[in-house]
Amino acid sequence: GDSVTQMEGPVTLSEEAFLTINCTYTATGYPSLFWYVQYPGEGLQLLLKATKADDKGSNKGFEATYRKETTSFHLEKGSVQVSDSAVYFCALRGAAGNKLTFGGGTRVLVKP
Amino acid sequence: NAGVTQTPKFQVLKTGQSMTLQCAQDMNHEYMSWYRQDPGMGLRLIHYSVGAGITDQGEVPNGYNVSRSTTEDFPLRLLSAAPSQTSVYFCASSGGRNNQPQHFGDGTRLSIL
Repeated sequence: GDSVTQMEGPVTLSEEAFLTINCTYTATGYPSLFWYVQYPGEGLQLLLKATKADDKGSNKGFEATYRKETTSFHLEKGSVQVSDSAVYFCALRGAAGNKLTFGGGTRVLVKP
Repeated sequence: NAGVTQTPKFQVLKTGQSMTLQCAQDMNHEYMSWYRQDPGMGLRLIHYSVGAGITDQGEVPNGYNVSRSTTEDFPLRLLSAAPSQTSVYFCASSGGRNNQPQHFGDGTRLSIL
């Protein structure tokens, strides 16, 4: 079945540092890929998405590129802020249906 | 625009009690789902529905029941609560097309004593 593996946290960074969160997936066909963010005490919010190979999703300074050859969708941000402290989830939706498969989540803590 | 609304936000139950977690969406979405979130395990799908009158099991359905009598509502029922069901529960909805993102509610934090 479908699966998503993302790096375990917590990841602790200083403000303005570069952030990378690795995400790899296993799926049949051509899934859509997503990054969701969860701020403390809140639900999940869609951060960005990519629906086909080589697509780049971007939002709020975050980027991720759908790499089919390496089955990866790594999240990057060039200069993080304290407000980026959150838990980040990589997810995929299979080619058939609407079900999402999530990775375990990566907690990011940005210190001033 | 309310989006996905979950009630209650917090609940404490005793083992063996029953309760219903409510979920409502006002976006006319066909697809709705329930997840549970446990530390280090991400979100796991409990049950889902592709439209009114249609439900199916997800990854961890045992101990939970659902029904979908209207497009707007998708309640999750715990028939006999167990401590293993202590978790944070999220409801989500999305439109019919495959590449539409899911919209999440703010969650219900449930503790079973």
